[in-house]
Amino acid sequence: RKEVEQDPGPFNVPEGATVAFNCTYSNSASQSFFWYRQDCRKEPKLLMSVYSSGNEDGRFTAQLNRASQYISLLIRDSKLSDSATYLCVVNEAPGTASKLTFGTGTRLQVTL
Amino acid sequence: DTEVTQTPKHLVMGMTNKKSLKCEQHMGHRAMYWYKQKAKKPPELMFVYSYEKLSINESVPSRFSPECPNSSLLNLHLHALQPEDSALYLCASSLRWDISYEQYFGPGTRLTVT
Repeated sequence: RKEVEQDPGPFNVPEGATVAFNCTYSNSASQSFFWYRQDCRKEPKLLMSVYSSGNEDGRFTAQLNRASQYISLLIRDSKLSDSATYLCVVNEAPGTASKLTFGTGTRLQVTL
Repeated sequence: DTEVTQTPKHLVMGMTNKKSLKCEQHMGHRAMYWYKQKAKKPPELMFVYSYEKLSINESVPSRFSPECPNSSLLNLHLHALQPEDSALYLCASSLRWDISYEQYFGPGTRLTVT
């Protein structure tokens, strides 16, 4: 079983739509969770950290469900510029052995 | 300013060449990382430096040799690479290694080995 699983997509949505991505992780000791976006042939850019209480940044809302080991990202009012691959990233238990584990990414294509 | 810079942007090298990739950050971060990313795959961790000391080597072949001259700089020395080493090499940094801080990535060096 993969450590961090995402639906690879692609998700093709019209501009203005609401789209949700899900991610599951296997290590129940995981401590920190992030969403990164990566444009084609560019570096991953931090979109937002995900906190237990959930957090919102403009049109983006992230949720964490520790009991189900599940993270979500909701994008409202999609823009053409939101087209990218969204990487679910989990940092396992803190300490000298902590590392980022990346999901394989979910590709989003927003169209006119 | 969350900026990590990398040079060069592109590099083409033969299998007998020696070259170096450079990474720099001025955010006061004490953890720096090298990742390798192949097309349509997520980044794979290669090395972690914490307070200028090598903390993690993910069983990377010795033809890749990292170096951390100071807290702002990270190099990756390349020698006798293989065509399958062609990839995007990403540098990242975070405030610390032992606590789960966000990592910030540089733009990467796109390496082609011929």
